[in-house]
Amino acid sequence: EAGVTQFPSHSVIEKGQTVTLRCDPISGHDNLYWYRRVMGKEIKFLLHFVKESKQDESGMPNNRFLAERTGGTYSTLKVQPAELEDSGVYFCASSHPLPSYEQYFGPGTRLTVT
Amino acid sequence: DAKTTQPTSMDCAEGRAANLPCNHSTISGNEYVYWYRQIHSQGPQYIIHGLKNNETNEMASLIITEDRKSSTLILPHATLRDTAVYYCIVRVGGNEKLTFGTGTRLTIIP
Repeated sequence: EAGVTQFPSHSVIEKGQTVTLRCDPISGHDNLYWYRRVMGKEIKFLLHFVKESKQDESGMPNNRFLAERTGGTYSTLKVQPAELEDSGVYFCASSHPLPSYEQYFGPGTRLTVT
Repeated sequence: DAKTTQPTSMDCAEGRAANLPCNHSTISGNEYVYWYRQIHSQGPQYIIHGLKNNETNEMASLIITEDRKSSTLILPHATLRDTAVYYCIVRVGGNEKLTFGTGTRLTIIP
């Protein structure tokens, strides 16, 4: 089966611009997660969807970040306006419906804000 | 979720068993031990998980002490492709998010 895919693989934008990251989970996976690693820091959880509903968005850093998962399939993460500290690698992961134990991660999107 | 402590880095000779320790002395009875790894420039990859009993799969073995305060991930025959950062994560079943620490950077030496 196809794995989790993320688009784009790299994005370079200027401060103040908007960027939208996309994640396509494994087919049939109701759970979808976003994580990120900013420079020199640990991988941090951002939020978790169950189908189209936000189950846990406790890791979202501020209201410049907006995640959506319309129809419960792919998800987008929009950063508007982007700041320098948003630079890092954004990972998406998906898993089967409960009882879930294994999260399958995508390759990540490297975001650089200049 | 309970906090884990891992060595910052380890080396292992190719073909030998790699034993990666993890301390989780504050683990609760309903928390599982998970291991993930991140090979350079890739997304994290699930390896194995367990609650109380030792577990084995095609990638690795997980040994959990009887008091559950520590565990060891064993890669039985390490190859160069096993060079990665390995994360020990303690997580409540049903609590979906993963809390990554700094992990152990494992280097396999030819």
